[in-house]
Amino acid sequence: EIVLTQSPDFQSVTPKEKVTITCRASQSIDNSLHWYQQKPDQSPKLLIKYASESFSGVPSRFSGSGSGTDFTLTINSLEAEDAATYYCHQSSSLPYTFGQGTKLEIK
Amino acid sequence: EVQLMESGGGLVQPGGSLRLSCAASGFTFSDYYMDWVRQAPGKGLEWVSRIRNKANNYATHYAASVQGRFTISRDDLKNSLSLQMNSLKTEDTALYYCVRVALHATPVKVIDYWGPGTLVTVSS
Repeated sequence: EIVLTQSPDFQSVTPKEKVTITCRASQSIDNSLHWYQQKPDQSPKLLIKYASESFSGVPSRFSGSGSGTDFTLTINSLEAEDAATYYCHQSSSLPYTFGQGTKLEIK
Repeated sequence: EVQLMESGGGLVQPGGSLRLSCAASGFTFSDYYMDWVRQAPGKGLEWVSRIRNKANNYATHYAASVQGRFTISRDDLKNSLSLQMNSLKTEDTALYYCVRVALHATPVKVIDYWGPGTLVTVSS
């Protein structure tokens, strides 16, 4: 099973700040890494697919990068509505797995 | 608009059974793979099961934690996905999401849409 480890687990940030969340895979997954945003009491929503492709309708301040084992989700100029938990997810091989999540709090 | 709506959750005793359903609309259901993903209260996301489309022989896959106890199925005529859950354990308590897997030319797929979820509570 491929283990995904996110860092940090929690981050408190101010609006307009730049945020970086990392996801490390226990083995190479090429670009089979996706990012989801889950706001309180809502279902997750796809932000970034295949490491760096933005999903339809996602604000341009969200971007992704990486390949192999190390991946990054960047949020430029954070907005209050970005308060959420962010998950990375690999679909390279079964069983598909998720990172433990990174909770973003807006100060 | 893609819509996924789960139903069938509830309270069940350990060792019991429950059948979840998901009604899909807004897309050609038969073309897509479909998954179930769950989230225990206050915890992270766990992939549970996948069923492929007819072109891929409706192949199914399961997480080790549910293999042999859960069965995923689909009815393309009714645009419906199901999850039969038997021998339920307390650790199966979670919000169960029906999710769509995006069409993609490569074997590597991505989950693109999620339903609101249905809560399953396993407790005596």
